[in-house]
Amino acid sequence: EVQLLESGGGLVQPGGSLRLSCAASGFTFSTYPMSWVRQAPGKGLEWVSGIVGRGDSTYYADSVKGRFIISRDNSKNTMSLQMNSLRADDTAVYYCAKPTYDTSWFFDDWGQGTLVTVSS
Amino acid sequence: EIVLTQSPVILSLSPGERATLSCRASQTVHSYLAWYQQKPGQAPRLLIYDASNRATGIPARFSGSGSGTDFTLTISSLEPEDFAVYFCQQRSSWPLTFGGGTRVEIK
Repeated sequence: EVQLLESGGGLVQPGGSLRLSCAASGFTFSTYPMSWVRQAPGKGLEWVSGIVGRGDSTYYADSVKGRFIISRDNSKNTMSLQMNSLRADDTAVYYCAKPTYDTSWFFDDWGQGTLVTVSS
Repeated sequence: EIVLTQSPVILSLSPGERATLSCRASQTVHSYLAWYQQKPGQAPRLLIYDASNRATGIPARFSGSGSGTDFTLTISSLEPEDFAVYFCQQRSSWPLTFGGGTRVEIK
């Protein structure tokens, strides 16, 4: 059974930093690209960032480019999102998401989400 | 970036009725489109991928069609558990994008 467990969310002041983690199990982690998707309160879904299986290619939404850094450690089956220069509009539930197959970027497994609140 | 526009924003229907949801892309996404269902407090659930393929465990009343820029999600006969918000997503080009969603509510 696939399990994705996010951690690291919390309250942070504008301009601050936070690091999210996603612990994965139940599948061969290193063969799948992974993504972060967020959802602001009462709003729709926004894809944030993605990383290929080997970790040597990364992708970002324009809204976070230059501020967020995605990474993974295949030896530990974990993915991370380093979030810097946080703004109020980064407030959202952040989901870790796994795709349907190893060359897909459609997501059939999701974590429970971790809430990030950016506020003074 | 490719903008996905979903319509209608709200769809009011009764159980047993047919639901037709639309997703229009600002440029072609070929067949690289998926549909998700989301209920309050839950993560999204993948329903359809590559425009017309049902994901594992998804009932046959859900079907997807379309290619290029115009796509449709059809729920042939609404069950009580189908009242939720539905999102489309494209993977044709970076950045990946989602539509704004359609809420299917009980009439």
